[in-house]
Amino acid sequence: EAAVTQSPRSKVAVTGGKVTLSCHQTNNHDYMYWYRQDTGHGLRLIHYSYVADSTEKGDIPDGYKASRPSQENFSLILELASLSQTAVYFCASSELGGHTEVFFGKGTRLTVV
Amino acid sequence: GDSVTQTEGQVTVSESKSLIINCTYSATSIGYPNLFWYVRYPGEGLQLLLKVITAGQKGSSRGFEATYNKEATSFHLQKASVQESDSAVYYCALRATGGNNKLTFGQGTVLSVIP
Repeated sequence: EAAVTQSPRSKVAVTGGKVTLSCHQTNNHDYMYWYRQDTGHGLRLIHYSYVADSTEKGDIPDGYKASRPSQENFSLILELASLSQTAVYFCASSELGGHTEVFFGKGTRLTVV
Repeated sequence: GDSVTQTEGQVTVSESKSLIINCTYSATSIGYPNLFWYVRYPGEGLQLLLKVITAGQKGSSRGFEATYNKEATSFHLQKASVQESDSAVYYCALRATGGNNKLTFGQGTVLSVIP
């Protein structure tokens, strides 16, 4: 079965600190995504990647970096965490094609204090 | 850009009653978008509930159904008789037929089914 695994599942970070969220997929998918969800809002796209060693900006990339060292792994990096980045983060993967299913991880709850 | 609107943030329904969750969309890309409903159960990630990629068609899964209405730009989710196990967060989403392959989500609707 297709699988997307995120780590950690929850994290408390201090303002100004560096945070790395990791994602691993065993789907052999080319596309990977990072979304964030805030209470009362839908998921919004931060960064995505369609090939290893390349990342693209999504709709809300400010304050985030992404890294895709291999097809299976995709990280989200907050160099200087801020209170406004407290949210739930979802990683996902898919094949190319607007009709294909997107598979999601269980999410990482990040609290910046 | 593309957008999806779910007007109900929270819906409470008694078990065995009918359900409708409203979804409307706006797509700026050429061609008709693909439409999806995702569901998130407590402690789980989002999972696909159903999808429709052809305007005018209906998708169904687990007793839920949704019809792709391109004239009204709507994709409402319905179920004739809900169960307590249907309690979850439901997201309407669209995906353009070209571009960066991304999903655009509505804000989600929390469904609580009362036994």
